[in-house]
Amino acid sequence: DTAVSQTPKYLVTQMGNDKSIKCEQNLGHDTMYWYKQDSKKFLKIMFSYNNKELIINETVPNRFSPKSPDKAHLNLHINSLELGDSAVYFCASSPSGFSTDTQYFGPGTRLTVL
Amino acid sequence: GNSVTQMEGPVTLSEEAFLTINCTYTATGYPSLFWYVQYPGEGLQLLLKATKADDKGSNKGFEATYRKETTSFHLEKGSVQVSDSAVYFCALSAYYASGSARQLTFGSGTQLTVLP
Repeated sequence: DTAVSQTPKYLVTQMGNDKSIKCEQNLGHDTMYWYKQDSKKFLKIMFSYNNKELIINETVPNRFSPKSPDKAHLNLHINSLELGDSAVYFCASSPSGFSTDTQYFGPGTRLTVL
Repeated sequence: GNSVTQMEGPVTLSEEAFLTINCTYTATGYPSLFWYVQYPGEGLQLLLKATKADDKGSNKGFEATYRKETTSFHLEKGSVQVSDSAVYFCALSAYYASGSARQLTFGSGTQLTVLP
């Protein structure tokens, strides 16, 4: 069974479109995250939720909106896509958000904006 | 703020060579330190971690020791294999700016290629 899953794995779309990426974890974790990995492999936190509550909201454009319908799901909606949004987006989860926690990552969604 | 500085790659080694990837950090308080590995086309997975000073994390022949005095967490392996080819990320977990949550701060990643 996949611990952290993301759909879709690849997403190719035109500038200006709106798209969503879904994430689900079956580990029973309380905390979930979204990261963006750029073309140079640099990873940066975007958002984090703990028990459906937003606890980290980094300086990302407000075109990006996370939504957590329950603690097993954290979706990412992106409005008015721009070329610079092209990247790999990773979802992750951890048991409780403590500093000693291991984060478990999904396989990533490669977004290409044309 | 928190930051992680990692040895730049790419690193190319022959099979059975010794590996060191340097990692130093800047953080307030007492962060936990991690090494994550990313194989081609996959997400990151934990390789090892250390949660307090002088702890040694180890897994699959890889080791790293949390050195508070030098703010370092260098990754080592005595004999690399072709299957170790991947991108390696050093990371620290410390308080987010608001103080209410912890976040992972990653280094820039080091691409390792091991040749047979």
